[in-house]
Amino acid sequence: GAGVSQSPSNKVTEKGKDVELRCDPISGHTALYWYRQSLGQGLEFLIYFQGNSAPDKSGLPSDRFSAERTGGSVSTLTIQRTQQEDSAVYLCASSQRLSSGSLYEQYFGPGTRLTVT
Amino acid sequence: AQKVTQAQTEISVVEKEDVTLDCVYETRDTTYYLFWYKQPPSGELVFLIRRNSFDEQNEISGRYSWNFQKSTSSFNFTITASQVVDSAVYFCALSEAPVYTGKLIFGQGTTLQVKP
Repeated sequence: GAGVSQSPSNKVTEKGKDVELRCDPISGHTALYWYRQSLGQGLEFLIYFQGNSAPDKSGLPSDRFSAERTGGSVSTLTIQRTQQEDSAVYLCASSQRLSSGSLYEQYFGPGTRLTVT
Repeated sequence: AQKVTQAQTEISVVEKEDVTLDCVYETRDTTYYLFWYKQPPSGELVFLIRRNSFDEQNEISGRYSWNFQKSTSSFNFTITASQVVDSAVYFCALSEAPVYTGKLIFGQGTTLQVKP
């Protein structure tokens, strides 16, 4: 079946502009995660959505970062007033619903490479 | 605090050699999950294995095998008879107990180069 898809695959933006990154999870997966991969910081968790529960935003690096998930499916990560240190690959992952005693693996999308000039 | 350490930054082997990638983790949780992911040059993270903290049995899948030892907090990954297609960055990851978010804490990754 279809995997996690992300768009755009590449985004170049000028410092100070806002950007939106999109993630379409695997159908039926209710958990959705955003991560960031950069040379200096490795792979970092950003935010997590599960069904209608309040998202876990503990990994967002600043209030310039926000994300939403509409209809329990597609998610958008928004970065306002981009800075050069925001340059990274932004990865989205989805997994089946967490259940008591079980944690399912996350399947990752191809990522969006963001370059802030 | 939870932490994953992959001490080997880069490993280079010749095809058909066996290679072991080390992973050491730290956690205060009694229930946790460990994962390995592969990131080939194409960039997409590929799931390899999931292991929960109550299952210490070693696992073998083809040329891949995993050795989980709670006593040393290690979850090592061995590739037998390596092939050029195994060249990639390999990440070990730890997740909190499933009652929480399940977010992954990744190690820094080990770059494996398999030469023909």
